[in-house]
Amino acid sequence: DTEVTQTPKHLVMGMTNKKSLKCEQHMGHRAMYWYKQKAKKPPELMFVYSYEKLSINESVPSRFSPECPNSSLLNLHLHALQPEDSALYLCASSPVGSNQPQHFGDGTRLSIL
Amino acid sequence: RKEVEQDPGPFNVPEGATVAFNCTYSNSASQSFFWYRQDCRKEPKLLMSVYSSGNEDGRFTAQLNRASQYISLLIRDSKLSDSATYLCVVGLNTGFQKLVFGTGTRLLVSP
Repeated sequence: DTEVTQTPKHLVMGMTNKKSLKCEQHMGHRAMYWYKQKAKKPPELMFVYSYEKLSINESVPSRFSPECPNSSLLNLHLHALQPEDSALYLCASSPVGSNQPQHFGDGTRLSIL
Repeated sequence: RKEVEQDPGPFNVPEGATVAFNCTYSNSASQSFFWYRQDCRKEPKLLMSVYSSGNEDGRFTAQLNRASQYISLLIRDSKLSDSATYLCVVGLNTGFQKLVFGTGTRLLVSP
């Protein structure tokens, strides 16, 4: 059982659609992360939130818009995506200021038509 | 040079074999070290953290050599269920934890 829950598990959308990915954790972690993973590649960091504030944006295009409404929730709003944005999107969480491992959700598999 | 480098795969081994994976990292300021396992089309799952003193979890043994910036994972008595991609991951804590992933090594255990 994963302690980080992501919804939906799968999403197919057109290039003009607007959709959101959701992530929830109840481990009390105050750092939350979005990663993008393409096939046969390792995860790539997109965004980091620390204490609900955006700490890192790894030069991600503005068609991806993160939001952290509270300490348990992390959203990723999607608009006008491109076919090359098709990937597995992973959410993770960890305590702030420690070397404990990140816990990953089981991801949203996104396909852009 | 990649920040985290791993043995290229795949490793094809029979059940019961012992297999070793190696990994090197370039940032000497790295503070945390992990092996994650990832099954096809699934999320990475933590296999074990890695400490300088070495650590063991059942059939799995991990070692860290900070001086040579080298991490290893040994799997004894391989099972079919060990077939997966093993990711060497190195972390730097700057208030939050920034992870750098190796490209992964694929293990295939056959009957």
